[in-house]
Amino acid sequence: DQQVKQNSPSLSVQEGRISILNCDYTNSMFDYFLWYKKYPAEGPTFLISISSIKDKNEDGRFTVFLNKSAKHLSLHIVPSQPGDSAVYFCAAMNNNDMRFGAGTRLTVKP
Amino acid sequence: NAGVTQTPKFRILKIGQSMTLQCAQDMNHNYMYWYRQDPGMGLKLIYYSVGAGITDKGEVPNGYNVSRSTTEDFPLRLELAAPSQTSVYFCASRRPGQGLDYGYTFGSGTRLTVV
Repeated sequence: DQQVKQNSPSLSVQEGRISILNCDYTNSMFDYFLWYKKYPAEGPTFLISISSIKDKNEDGRFTVFLNKSAKHLSLHIVPSQPGDSAVYFCAAMNNNDMRFGAGTRLTVKP
Repeated sequence: NAGVTQTPKFRILKIGQSMTLQCAQDMNHNYMYWYRQDPGMGLKLIYYSVGAGITDKGEVPNGYNVSRSTTEDFPLRLELAAPSQTSVYFCASRRPGQGLDYGYTFGSGTRLTVV
């Protein structure tokens, strides 16, 4: 059962434009949502998180939006930079059980 | 500050062999986790530990064992390697009570191939 889904395996955007990565979940018991960034041959690196009691969290160029009624969250990167090119994983957590999506490969073209 | 260190980085095993994947962290984190990532899939939790002497199963524990004798180390044992265990294995840790504003700290992974 895949409780966290990232339906877009890849996304390509132009440098300076907005990148929007999407994630859907099915388990309403998740109380924390996170985004991780992963470069090849490295482990995932924490990017940003949001509690289920909030609908938006912002950190510099990165903003995460949570729509609990739709069980949907998104990561906005503005402006996108070539160094943002990586695989982005959405994750959702309940107690010590963190479930990950399959990832979206973002390519930012100069 | 090394963070989370995993060894080895790569390993090829024959079916039926056994091995231990090592994981060590120097951040005094109580919580530690083992994940596996198959191609095109997200990470799946194998085992986790909330402190020395305490371990619990995750989503996909079959074929694996763990131990936690110290806060720093959390080795993952494969007793009878099978081709289905070909994957990239990630170890992670976090400090309890710090909340999830900082996420987990991951190691760089061990790529295991069983042939």
